[in-house]
Amino acid sequence: NAGVMQNPRHLVRRRGQEARLRCSPMKGHSHVYWYRQLPEEGLKFMVYLQKENIIDESGMPKERFSAEFPKEGPSILRIQQVVRGDSAAYFCASSPSRATGELFFGEGSRLTVL
Amino acid sequence: GDSVTQMEGPVTLSEEAFLTINCTYTATGYPSLFWYVQYPGEGLQLLLKATKADDKGSNKGFEATYRKETTSFHLEKGSVQVSDSAVYFCALVYYGGSQGNLIFGKGTKLSVKP
Repeated sequence: NAGVMQNPRHLVRRRGQEARLRCSPMKGHSHVYWYRQLPEEGLKFMVYLQKENIIDESGMPKERFSAEFPKEGPSILRIQQVVRGDSAAYFCASSPSRATGELFFGEGSRLTVL
Repeated sequence: GDSVTQMEGPVTLSEEAFLTINCTYTATGYPSLFWYVQYPGEGLQLLLKATKADDKGSNKGFEATYRKETTSFHLEKGSVQVSDSAVYFCALVYYGGSQGNLIFGKGTKLSVKP
């Protein structure tokens, strides 16, 4: 499967625990975007990364959330000390270049915080 | 800032009915416009796009025309099928400002009954 791979597909955490979501972009894509989809709402941009660099994190909450895209390995979205309001679907998307708008999305990781 | 407004859903139609989902946008420049579709349990897929005024994007029987004078990009299909049941998102990207991030509308859920 050459598509965008996200794991885990489903993740359950208790309040205060950490959640780590992984995203492997399509082969040849060096641009990764993370979006959050809350129930009954659209997708909200969180962060845009290229290899080893955060380009735009204007949509990331200032606390508890971080993202990385190392030289080797998948992009990771990390949520520390999760709260119930973090329950959502988190989608990763990749593209071969910037600013085209044509993104290839993964199937999402659904986080449930108990 | 840039934004996208879609008609509220859900929209329920009978098979072979005509579909229109309205979308208007606000942007300071000349964005490219997109329709993405999300089938149940999946990530988003690009359905069609238009990059400049009067362009018509089309795919799988769906069409949308970039109307600069009305800042609109309404999605249409002449005869819907049950398999078209999904959530449809209108989106824009403005190359000049948002680093290529897509700005999405809230989505419109379409249910097609046999």
